[in-house]
Amino acid sequence: DAGVIQSPRHEVTEMGQEVTLRCKPISGHDYLFWYRQTMMRGLELLIYFNNNVPIDDSGMPEDRFSAKMPNASFSTLKIQPSEPRDSAVYFCASSYEGGRQPQHFGDGTRLSIL
Amino acid sequence: RKEVEQDPGPFNVPEGATVAFNCTYSNSASQSFFWYRQDCRKEPKLLMSVYSSGNEDGRFTAQLNRASQYISLLIRDSKLSDSATYLCVVTVLPGYQKVTFGTGTKLQVIP
Repeated sequence: DAGVIQSPRHEVTEMGQEVTLRCKPISGHDYLFWYRQTMMRGLELLIYFNNNVPIDDSGMPEDRFSAKMPNASFSTLKIQPSEPRDSAVYFCASSYEGGRQPQHFGDGTRLSIL
Repeated sequence: RKEVEQDPGPFNVPEGATVAFNCTYSNSASQSFFWYRQDCRKEPKLLMSVYSSGNEDGRFTAQLNRASQYISLLIRDSKLSDSATYLCVVTVLPGYQKVTFGTGTKLQVIP
């Protein structure tokens, strides 16, 4: 079975550039989560969707961050403009029935902003 | 007080030892619990769910103590391959489903 698929796996870009991270959840899962992980702050929930609708975006750090889920099989997380402090590993996860069932994570995108 | 707290460790234990981790949570409405394992530079992976009656999967045992609001993970006969960071996950249900990950406990199994 295909798991959660994220792209790109690695992204290195210069400060000020727009960055777009992509995620394809597991088919049939109705919840999608975006996380950011750093050594300093651990795993932080940025935003989550239920049936393609954003439910809680209180973890999105600034207006520079935005996320969309145009359909059940695709989501994007965009940073514009990017800053060096955005450097982190970004994970996408999906689940069925939200918190009742475990989340399944993608491999993550390692983002470095120079 | 943090919603979910874990001892960051590291726990350094010899091969074959038994080690236990606890994870405390602050919201008594929490109803769903999991343990995840994360290897260095990898994604978190589900290790096991935690059921009210406690559950076991091979060398791993998970327990829930609702009165004291903590979950535990016991690893028996530690292997070198158990070296990883262990994250607990707590979800408040029903309605708005707030899922919270702990910051993780690092385990290093030593030969």
